Amino acid sequence: DQQVKQNSPSLSVQEGRISILNCDYTNSMFDYFLWYKKYPAEGPTFLISISSIKDKNEDGRFTVFLNKSAKHLSLHIVPSQPGDSAVYFCAASGETSGSRLTFGEGTQLTVNP
Amino acid sequence: DTGVSQDPRHKITKRGQNVTFRCDPISEHNRLYWYRQTLGQGPEFLTYFQNEAQLEKSRLLSDRFSAERPKGSFSTLEIQRTEQGDSAMYLCASSPGGVKGTEAFFGQGTRLTVV
Repeated sequence: DQQVKQNSPSLSVQEGRISILNCDYTNSMFDYFLWYKKYPAEGPTFLISISSIKDKNEDGRFTVFLNKSAKHLSLHIVPSQPGDSAVYFCAASGETSGSRLTFGEGTQLTVNP
Repeated sequence: DTGVSQDPRHKITKRGQNVTFRCDPISEHNRLYWYRQTLGQGPEFLTYFQNEAQLEKSRLLSDRFSAERPKGSFSTLEIQRTEQGDSAMYLCASSPGGVKGTEAFFGQGTRLTVV
């Protein structure tokens, strides 16, 4: 039962353009959502998060949007840079899941110079 | 370095052997987590400590797996009688706790290969 799903295994964009990574969830008890970035041979690095009481959170080039009715969130990176090339994981937590994070499968982002 | 530290980075073992991994969390963090990641998948939750108490354990976790966090500092994850299916990246993370859903900071992981 995949409660957090990232349907796009990969995404390729040109440097300077917008990258949009998508994530869907099924568990309506999730109320906190996070994005992590992972480079090869390293652990995931926290990027940005959003609480279910908000629909948008922005941090520099990164913005996360949450659509609770659709159980969908997205990460926008503007402008994209070659150094953003990595695997991006969406994660969620909630009251019934305690402190555990439930991760999606990840999306490999490649930003071409 | 004040990040989460894991040791060893890589471990190759023969099937049936026992292995133990160590995690040193960020010093002021009282929550510690173990996750497992296989190729093409996101990290999968294994277990969670608040200080020295193991508060949650995944139902998917075999009895061959055991974790400890004596004195609420570093943690160890032991796998007994390893199987080839145990081959994965084992990730440790820590968080300060206190705020629900607070971000977890991950170590670089221990890559286990069972041959």
